[in-house]
Amino acid sequence: NAGVTQTPKFQVLKTGQSMTLQCAQDMNHEYMSWYRQDPGMGLRLIHYSVGAGITDQGEVPNGYNVSRSTTEDFPLRLLSAAPSQTSVYFCASSYFGRKNTEAFFGQGTRLTVV
Amino acid sequence: QQQVKQSPQSLIVQKGGISIINCAYENTAFDYFPWYQQFPGKGPALLIAIRPDVSEKKEGRFTISFNKSAKQFSLHIMDSQPGDSATYFCAASLSGNTPLVFGKGTRLSVIA
Repeated sequence: NAGVTQTPKFQVLKTGQSMTLQCAQDMNHEYMSWYRQDPGMGLRLIHYSVGAGITDQGEVPNGYNVSRSTTEDFPLRLLSAAPSQTSVYFCASSYFGRKNTEAFFGQGTRLTVV
Repeated sequence: QQQVKQSPQSLIVQKGGISIINCAYENTAFDYFPWYQQFPGKGPALLIAIRPDVSEKKEGRFTISFNKSAKQFSLHIMDSQPGDSATYFCAASLSGNTPLVFGKGTRLSVIA
């Protein structure tokens, strides 16, 4: 059982470049979300989705876009990378609106913007 | 506005001792309070969770204590082991219908 798979694991970008962080889950979870983790800041929500075709902004959405065309995939797009986006990015998935709300996280993508 | 405040930021405990991490929340509508454990280079993983209809939940050496009137909850790790050294995050949400809101994390080091 793969769970939540994130690719790539590491990435270095130049300022102004764009890229897509991939996230896929095989648990048929409705709910998917993206967090960034910075030292001393905990996990901050970027965007989330409660199902295919539905997305919403989190605490720190600026500079990021998302779409949800399938239940399995939830890519995160950086439009024009900035050094402030250097961070570790985590994708998570869970059931939505049910008693079991355990969120499963991917292994993370470590992004450096130079 | 930080909805979940976690303390301490870091904690050093002797092997066999008790580790205690505290969290306070602001939104009284929250009704799901999980703790996540994260090892270096890995994603967070659910450790234990509680709902406000009980004041305590125990799983092995890990216990959550919940105080609804004070809007506080805490994680107790009994007989702490070096393998417990990790970063711990508390979180809160509305029954999975809203995104998890995380505290800033506590880095626990258990020394022999």
